[in-house]
Amino acid sequence: DAGVTQSPTHLIKTRGQQVTLRCSPKSGHDTVSWYQQALGQGPQFIFQYYEEEERQRGNFPDRFSGHQFPNYSSELNVNALLLGDSALYLCASSFGSGVPELFFGEGSRLTVL
Amino acid sequence: GQQVMQIPQYQHVQEGEDFTTYCNSSTTLSNIQWYKQRPGGHPVFLIQLVKSGEVKKQKRLTFQFGEAKKNSSLHITATQTTDVGTYFCAGPSNAGNMLTFGGGTRLMVKP
Repeated sequence: DAGVTQSPTHLIKTRGQQVTLRCSPKSGHDTVSWYQQALGQGPQFIFQYYEEEERQRGNFPDRFSGHQFPNYSSELNVNALLLGDSALYLCASSFGSGVPELFFGEGSRLTVL
Repeated sequence: GQQVMQIPQYQHVQEGEDFTTYCNSSTTLSNIQWYKQRPGGHPVFLIQLVKSGEVKKQKRLTFQFGEAKKNSSLHITATQTTDVGTYFCAGPSNAGNMLTFGGGTRLMVKP
């Protein structure tokens, strides 16, 4: 049973570029949440997708957008990258409504130069 | 907005010593979850507490949810080097779909 998989694991971009990160949820899960984790800090909620719609959004600008596909996989897009966007981006999957236990992927480490 | 705070930020202990991390929320929580993140790894779910005053144990780990459902603690008895990592508490937002994480307590264990 595959857990949550994310790609790419590491990437380097320059300021102003755009990036797309991908996530496949754990088998049987229908909800995907994205978190940003800066070095030495706790994960910060970006948004959550359920039934291909954004169900809730954290305090992140519109440069951060996402998508969920019919197979429940998800993408996180960040436009006009800033140095401060450098972080570990974590995808977490769960099943159903509310906030059940989250299963995290290994994350995508983004470095913006 | 909702804030979740943890103390201490860092804790160095000698192997065999006990360790406690404390978590406080600015709002009453319907439940609280605890996660562990090993160095270079990703958060892994440990436990969820739901009831006021609830206490749960997992081997050497004891988790407690406060009576007012605004605070929680994690206590590790006789730490081992395998306990090294950052421990996060997290609580749901009022809207219910967002989990707010604390800043974490990083535990370092000297063998």
